[in-house]
Amino acid sequence: DAGVIQSPRHEVTEMGQEVTLRCKPISGHNSLFWYRQTMMRGLELLIYFNNNVPIDDSGMPEDRFSAKMPNASFSTLKIQPSEPRDSAVYFCASSSLRAAGYTFGSGTRLTVV
Amino acid sequence: GDSVTQMEGPVTLSEEAFLTINCTYTATGYPSLFWYVQYPGEGLQLLLKATKADDKGSNKGFEATYRKETTSFHLEKGSVQVSDSAVYFCALSENTGNQFYFGTGTSLTVIP
Repeated sequence: DAGVIQSPRHEVTEMGQEVTLRCKPISGHNSLFWYRQTMMRGLELLIYFNNNVPIDDSGMPEDRFSAKMPNASFSTLKIQPSEPRDSAVYFCASSSLRAAGYTFGSGTRLTVV
Repeated sequence: GDSVTQMEGPVTLSEEAFLTINCTYTATGYPSLFWYVQYPGEGLQLLLKATKADDKGSNKGFEATYRKETTSFHLEKGSVQVSDSAVYFCALSENTGNQFYFGTGTSLTVIP
């Protein structure tokens, strides 16, 4: 099992550009979570999906952020337009009711200049 | 609502010292409790878990006991190593759902 796979590992972009982060969950896991981690705010849940359906997006900071899960093996988090304050590490995690635990990806370190 | 409160860091210990990181929780049901560890530059990894009261989770010399009477899940290790330097997160998950609630994390630095 390759675990949760995120890409890219690092992304540097200019303010105003569109950024797309990608996640492949563990096969068989039916829940997927997007988190953002910063020094100031710690670990924040942005959105989570059950069976590809968004359940709670109350953590999405504003309309510039959007997330999709077109199928059970792929999800994207998009920021358009990006701003310097979006700079953070973005983690994807997946789980199943049977697993009783999250598995996190290695994260995408986003820097917006 | 559900929440987790853990002791604030940073914590600095000498090698072979005893470690305790406090964690208390608030939950409406009967949650499972977890400790996650994040090494520098990496994602969070599950360290140990306990799914019901009085269970003890253990891994890599770390232990935590699910105490329902005190709503606590304190992390302990008898003798820390430099390689234990990391950020530790306490978390809970209601068994009826999949959402996790994380504490704010406690940074541990072990010096030789």
